[in-house]
Amino acid sequence: LAKTTQPISMDSYEGQEVNITCSHNNIATNDYITWYQQFPSQGPRFIIQGYKTKVTNEVASLFIPADRKSSTLSLPRVSLSDTAVYYCLPGGGFKTIFGAGTRLFVKA
Amino acid sequence: NAGVTQTPKFQVLKTGQSMTLQCAQDMNHNSMYWYRQDPGMGLRLIYYSASEGTTDKGEVPNGYNVSRLNKREFSLRLESAAPSQTSVYFCASSERLAGGSPLEQYFGPGTRLTVT
Repeated sequence: LAKTTQPISMDSYEGQEVNITCSHNNIATNDYITWYQQFPSQGPRFIIQGYKTKVTNEVASLFIPADRKSSTLSLPRVSLSDTAVYYCLPGGGFKTIFGAGTRLFVKA
Repeated sequence: NAGVTQTPKFQVLKTGQSMTLQCAQDMNHNSMYWYRQDPGMGLRLIYYSASEGTTDKGEVPNGYNVSRLNKREFSLRLESAAPSQTSVYFCASSERLAGGSPLEQYFGPGTRLTVT
């Protein structure tokens, strides 16, 4: 299972773009990279998933370089409601490892 | 669709008591999971069920048992609760690709368990 490294916390202001980078040096060839968001007192919620290059949906973009040893979640124009913990999960099997995640705090 | 539901929402147990946490999903997913989350920590996988009729240990299975009752329901049992099992428990479900790999997981609202 790939081990991940993410910043413990980040601060931002409303309207800014936020980029959270995750390192996963020993990612396996078949592993996808999935990002989840968790609000206090709630279960995690799927945000985006990708294998390589760039993936975009209505919520975020995910950038994955060619070597796939890292990935960057990009949240455009964050709002106060984006304050949450963000988890990066490389993997393809059932034994998902959630690390401590990145606590994003968005200020007015 | 209700998605993933869990009961109860809150529970207080005394050391040595037993209880079963219930989980049900209405998305017709093949795979289901149980996690625990301690304060300020990430989620840790207790058990999972890749498909109906199968269960496997996750990262922290000791002190727990599970039952995949049918495709919809996956229960977690604490036979003799200990204070170290005080945590928030999340159930999740996911679909599987044709090759067997799981897709994104959908989580329930959690059960807050305190063992005194």
